[in-house]
Amino acid sequence: DAGITQSPRHKVTETGTPVTLRCHQTENHRYMYWYRQDPGHGLRLIHYSYGVKDTDKGEVSDGYSVSRSKTEDFLLTLESATSSQTSVYFCAIKDLYNEQFFGPGTRLTVL
Amino acid sequence: QKEVEQDPGPLSVPEGAIVSLNCTYSNSAFQYFMWYRQYSRKGPELLMYTYSSGNKEDGRFTAQVDKSSKYISLFIRDSQPSDSATYLCAMSRPGGGADGLTFGKGTHLIIQP
Repeated sequence: DAGITQSPRHKVTETGTPVTLRCHQTENHRYMYWYRQDPGHGLRLIHYSYGVKDTDKGEVSDGYSVSRSKTEDFLLTLESATSSQTSVYFCAIKDLYNEQFFGPGTRLTVL
Repeated sequence: QKEVEQDPGPLSVPEGAIVSLNCTYSNSAFQYFMWYRQYSRKGPELLMYTYSSGNKEDGRFTAQVDKSSKYISLFIRDSQPSDSATYLCAMSRPGGGADGLTFGKGTHLIIQP
């Protein structure tokens, strides 16, 4: 399972509240990614990281920020959650062979 | 036009049949191609990864890439009920080490016992 965990696994929150999702990996991979998955859209890249403190935007980054202060942790923050951010969020890592492996996902509902 | 097109299905076939899943893409910069399997309420699981035109086989699965036609396929032989899932194609560009994947929307596959 590439040693990827995500927390929390489920969260219900209210519009306007801040939310932080955590991705933790145990294998010291350099590259980490956050995707969201929505019906009719598939998986879309939000942000990615290519090292500690090195991050960049993906296709759907508006309303999201990320931080990576340690190799093993990649945090995704919704500064002020909106109903359009209700989704399933997946973290992924890329290994030395250019293969991406995904975590189990976090199901977020914004009321 | 979306960069990656994939028929969402559902595709329903009897157990034991050969399944063919396909994606087309428009961006010729894509050079790496993957197929993921995703069960309901689970994360995507990498099935096949290839970066050259032609076929790659792994057990009952064969991935086929035709870069000239911008068309990729996944074949499943001797399909089993446990193969029922959503299959996602994905691709990426070379050179940019941090680039994420561009996904198709997924095909929902049902194998009837």
